[in-house]
Amino acid sequence: NAGVMQNPRHLVRRRGQEARLRCSPMKGHSHVYWYRQLPEEGLKFMVYLQKENIIDESGMPKERFSAEFPKEGPSILRIQQVVRGDSAAYFCASSRTGDEQFFGPGTRLTVL
Amino acid sequence: DQQVKQNSPSLSVQEGRISILNCDYTNSMFDYFLWYKKYPAEGPTFLISISSIKDKNEDGRFTVFLNKSAKHLSLHIVPSQPGDSAVYFCAASGAQGGSEKLVFGKGTKLTVNP
Repeated sequence: NAGVMQNPRHLVRRRGQEARLRCSPMKGHSHVYWYRQLPEEGLKFMVYLQKENIIDESGMPKERFSAEFPKEGPSILRIQQVVRGDSAAYFCASSRTGDEQFFGPGTRLTVL
Repeated sequence: DQQVKQNSPSLSVQEGRISILNCDYTNSMFDYFLWYKKYPAEGPTFLISISSIKDKNEDGRFTVFLNKSAKHLSLHIVPSQPGDSAVYFCAASGAQGGSEKLVFGKGTKLTVNP
């Protein structure tokens, strides 16, 4: 049973470009969470989605960031017009209803 | 405002001895707590959890203790092994099973010396 998959593992963007991060949950998991980890910090919650629904986006910056989890395909975290402060590791987690969250390997975004 | 605190950034122990990692929280609405282990360049790996209705949960070499009145939990690893060297994150949730968002501490880097 494959774990949570994220791609790309590393992403380099120039300021002003768009970044798209993908997450495929574990088989049988319908809940997806995105977290961001800045250097020397813990993981910070961004958004919680179920299929076609955003359940909790209280951790998402108000501008430039969006997330979706369509009926088919992976969950996407999209960052428009990236800035240097967006450089971080972005982790996706998935769970079944009421179960622990299992994390993917992360996408390391570097903004030049 | 940090709701989950791990006050020790690092801990070093000898192989075979006990490792004790501590975590404090401030939000009394938290009722489910988890420990994750993280190696560099990898995602966190779930280790063990505890519900607020319990004060202890054990899984092999890992035991988590919860003191609700003190809003404190700890992870005990015994005996410690070199392969346990990693960063350990404490996390808390307002939902049983951790199905809501997790609030993480900043982590404690454990080094187990052979």
